[in-house]
Amino acid sequence: KNEVEQSPQNLTAQEGEFITINCSYSVGISALHWLQQHPGGGIVSLFMLSSGKKKHGRLIATINIQEKHSSLHITASHPRDSAVYICAVPPNYGGSQGNLIFGKGTKLSVKP
Amino acid sequence: NAGVTQTPKFQVLKTGQSMTLQCAQDMNHEYMSWYRQDPGMGLRLIHYSVGAGITDQGEVPNGYNVSRSTTEDFPLRLLSAAPSQTSVYFCASSYSDSFGEKLFFGSGTQLSVL
Repeated sequence: KNEVEQSPQNLTAQEGEFITINCSYSVGISALHWLQQHPGGGIVSLFMLSSGKKKHGRLIATINIQEKHSSLHITASHPRDSAVYICAVPPNYGGSQGNLIFGKGTKLSVKP
Repeated sequence: NAGVTQTPKFQVLKTGQSMTLQCAQDMNHEYMSWYRQDPGMGLRLIHYSVGAGITDQGEVPNGYNVSRSTTEDFPLRLLSAAPSQTSVYFCASSYSDSFGEKLFFGSGTQLSVL
């Protein structure tokens, strides 16, 4: 079974700070997902990564398949970025086909 | 498109009662899944389906049944509710194309079993 570890568990930042959230997994995979869970509970997909780096607005996600590690960065953080960020991976190298294993999440709070 | 629709949003059950959580998607996605989210545990897979007529167990399937008679619907049945099933339940659908896999989540069902 793929084991997923996220760090830190909790993170408090001042508005404008650069944020990094880390995700490590134990079994080689073909792709990894980053998700955002809003304070109201809804979950949205931010990125699906199979290699290298992706950028969307102030969010940047990177993955090192050989090291089994991914990072999510937030530049110029804002209070509206306050949420729980979750990484998810399939159990093995094949695509998930709806079968995902999740990290426990990183709760980010950005203070004005 | 409505996306992934989950009902109900909230439910309170007594121990031993049965109920069905509904999940429907209108995006013609192949894959559908049910997860539960408990404090400190993260999301855990209950059951998933790779297409109509095909389902499989996830990490925590005991006490739950699913069926997938159509592409659109994937209901989750609690046969005899137990307090340990108090949780927040999420349904998700996904598809894969040449760019990768895309995930979509329902808004969740908060279930309390007394």
